Amino acid sequence: DQQVKQNSPSLSVQEGRISILNCDYTNSMFDYFLWYKKYPAEGPTFLISISSIKDKNEDGRFTVFLNKSAKHLSLHIVPSQPGDSAVYFCAAAAKEGGDKIIFGKGTRLHILP
Amino acid sequence: EAGVTQFPSHSVIEKGQTVTLRCDPISGHDNLYWYRRVMGKEIKFLLHFVKESKQDESGMPNNRFLAERTGGTYSTLKVQPAELEDSGVYFCASSHYRDSSYEQYFGPGTRLTVT
Repeated sequence: DQQVKQNSPSLSVQEGRISILNCDYTNSMFDYFLWYKKYPAEGPTFLISISSIKDKNEDGRFTVFLNKSAKHLSLHIVPSQPGDSAVYFCAAAAKEGGDKIIFGKGTRLHILP
Repeated sequence: EAGVTQFPSHSVIEKGQTVTLRCDPISGHDNLYWYRRVMGKEIKFLLHFVKESKQDESGMPNNRFLAERTGGTYSTLKVQPAELEDSGVYFCASSHYRDSSYEQYFGPGTRLTVT
């Protein structure tokens, strides 16, 4: 039973436009959410995170929005650049769950020239 | 600062054989984690070490998997005997102790193929 769901396996966005990646979760005990980026043949790289007590966190071109009532979060990338083409994993963690991170299946983002 | 390193990068073995994967965490990181990604599925937690102690091994699939972290430095993950369903990419990650952000630094992974 997947606790973190990324329903879009892939997404194509024009360079310079906004990329929006979505994620839903089922476990209301999650208190931290993370986005990881992964290039082929490399491990996931931490991108940005948000605590459950916040609804927005911004870091440069990357912004994560959290809607707790809907159990939904999204990652916005503005403007999208060619180097953003990668697989993006949504992930979550709960204090009661220890340090383990629960990952979604990932969304492959293609930035078109 | 060197990142998390894993060896080998790729291993192909036959069903029934034994394989040992190695992970060297970032120097000074007390926390070490193993994850696995089976093709097309999500990255799944296997276990967590704090120094040399197993903090959480709730994700280990069965007793064919044995993880060790002698001396609290590098870790090994042994699969014995390997089965076809063990194929996948095994990631190791590390973090500082008591890092409340849950940020973990991942290695490049070991791709295991069992034939």
